[in-house]
Amino acid sequence: KQEVTQIPAALSVPEGENLVLNCSFTDSAIYNLQWFRQDPGKGLTSLLLIQSSQREQTSGRLNASLDKSSGRSTLYIAASQPGDSATYLCALTDSWGKLQFGAGTQVVVTP
Amino acid sequence: DADVTQTPRNRITKTGKRIMLECSQTKGHDRMYWYRQDPGLGLRLIYYSFDVKDINKGEISDGYSVSRQAQAKFSLSLESAIPNQTALYFCATSDRRHNEQFFGPGTRLTVL
Repeated sequence: KQEVTQIPAALSVPEGENLVLNCSFTDSAIYNLQWFRQDPGKGLTSLLLIQSSQREQTSGRLNASLDKSSGRSTLYIAASQPGDSATYLCALTDSWGKLQFGAGTQVVVTP
Repeated sequence: DADVTQTPRNRITKTGKRIMLECSQTKGHDRMYWYRQDPGLGLRLIYYSFDVKDINKGEISDGYSVSRQAQAKFSLSLESAIPNQTALYFCATSDRRHNEQFFGPGTRLTVL
């Protein structure tokens, strides 16, 4: 069974610092990997989708990498802002289209 | 207008009551999903449907049932609600090709 781990569970950084969020998984037979943002009590917003054949995806200040051989994905957020404070979740899609989520990393960016 | 909508957004009910949560989407996706989120446990898949005639159990389907009334509608029922079903419930959709999932705003359900 696929296991998805996100470390650390919580992270606090001063504004302007780069954020590095980690996601590890045990089964490399994935269809794609998706990073989400969730604000307290709110729904999930898709940030980036990396297909299994890709190594990375970029959108603005966000960059996500995927290394299936080592079972790792990393989300980089450049020049963090207080508005980046949220919980970030990674999720892996298997070949049947089902998502397996990590528990998330709660990020606080202090002004 | 939101692509994935859920009703109601909040619901408080009593143990033993029947509850239905509804999800509608305008994205034209074939695939729809129901998840629940609990603090410390993350999101877990309850049921999923790849088209109108296809219904599959997820990780935690006991105590729940679903109905796919049309391509755009997928409802989740709790036949006899119990307090440990208190959670945040999310509906999601995805297309067949990319499988990128899009989530609704969630329904906060409290069972007393």
